[in-house]
Amino acid sequence: AQSVTQLDSQVPVFEEAPVELRCNYSSSVSVYLFWYVQYPNQGLQLLLKYLSGSTLVESINGFEAEFNKSQTSFHLRKPSVHISDTAEYFCAAGSTGNTPLVFGKGTRLSVIA
Amino acid sequence: DSGVTQTPKHLITATGQRVTLRCSPRSGDLSVYWYQQSLDQGLQFLIQYYNGEERAKGNILERFSAQQFPDLHSELNLSSLELGDSALYFCASSVGRGRIDTQYFGPGTRLTVL
Repeated sequence: AQSVTQLDSQVPVFEEAPVELRCNYSSSVSVYLFWYVQYPNQGLQLLLKYLSGSTLVESINGFEAEFNKSQTSFHLRKPSVHISDTAEYFCAAGSTGNTPLVFGKGTRLSVIA
Repeated sequence: DSGVTQTPKHLITATGQRVTLRCSPRSGDLSVYWYQQSLDQGLQFLIQYYNGEERAKGNILERFSAQQFPDLHSELNLSSLELGDSALYFCASSVGRGRIDTQYFGPGTRLTVL
């Protein structure tokens, strides 16, 4: 069964510094990868996703993630974070068939002024 | 605003009781998903319905049940509640049935079992 590991439960970073949130998944067979963000007191919302094609995917607010099949990773990066990026970030993996989307335990990003 | 609505926002009840959580998906979405989020377990998939029929089942306890009605809203029923059932319950919806669909999450229902 698919599993998703987010290695860091909390990541504090200063404003305008770069950040990388790490995500590893267990199976590279027909995998689809997602990053969701949860702002305080809200539900999750999709940040970006990889289905096929270019291994580098970008979001509208400056985040990017790279699908690395050999390392079974889908790390999320941003070159310069803002206070408003403070949130919890969830990596998720899905595959074909009826198997449900599997979420990691989340990484809490705290941006410090 | 994702377009997914959940009621109630908060629910406080006692052990042994039964509660019903309600979800209305985004207009046009046929799939509804239920998740449980707790500090120790993280975000756990419970169950998915597509156009009224059960599509996929996750870590849903036998004390829990769900259904999707003809108007596509869904209800999650939790019975014989235990302290450990205290969590945030999210509903999400998507247009299709597949794993590649973007899921739109509601704001959640916070359940506290005393």
